Amino acid sequence: AQTVTQSQPEMSVQEAETVTLSCTYDTSESNYYLFWYKQPPSRQMILVIRQEAYKQQNATENRFSVNFQKAAKSFSLKISDSQLGDTAMYFCAFMKYNQGGKLIFGQGTELSVKP
Amino acid sequence: NAGVTQTPKFQVLKTGQSMTLQCAQDMNHEYMSWYRQDPGMGLRLIHYSVGAGITDQGEVPNGYNVSRSTTEDFPLRLLSAAPSQTSVYFCASSYGTGGIEAFFGQGTRLTVV
Repeated sequence: AQTVTQSQPEMSVQEAETVTLSCTYDTSESNYYLFWYKQPPSRQMILVIRQEAYKQQNATENRFSVNFQKAAKSFSLKISDSQLGDTAMYFCAFMKYNQGGKLIFGQGTELSVKP
Repeated sequence: NAGVTQTPKFQVLKTGQSMTLQCAQDMNHEYMSWYRQDPGMGLRLIHYSVGAGITDQGEVPNGYNVSRSTTEDFPLRLLSAAPSQTSVYFCASSYGTGGIEAFFGQGTRLTVV
């Protein structure tokens, strides 16, 4: 069975600074997908970034980038130039290659961006 | 497009009552899922469906039933509510495999007293 672990329940960062959220996972699969979802106080789940395991290049989306270390089974999220609107709960999630609809989530990291 | 619509947004039930959480999507997605979110535990998969007429259990299926008679709708039924089912429930849909983005509804906060 796959597991996803986020070991940082809470983090805070000053506006305009950089913060890194950690995620590790356990799987015996070689093909899979990893995601970071953002959940602001509105409760809406918003996809931030995704990574295909077969791609060595780390995914980036504007101020968001990941450090994907397949051998170490690590998938951290870096937020650059943090903004107040980044304040949210962040979830790391795993999906097996052929199992759409079955996301496995970590416990979440609550990020506070302070002015 | 409305995306994924969940109703109701809030609900209070008494122990032993039954209810159905509604989920509808208008994106013609094959895959639909139900998750529950509890503090410190992230989101956990309850049931999922890979198409009309096909459903399967997730990690925490006990106490919940689902059916999928159409592509658009995927209701979640609580047959006899228990306080342990107090949670926030999310419905999600996606188109196929291949790591396609899952779209989530806005959630239902359910309290069982």
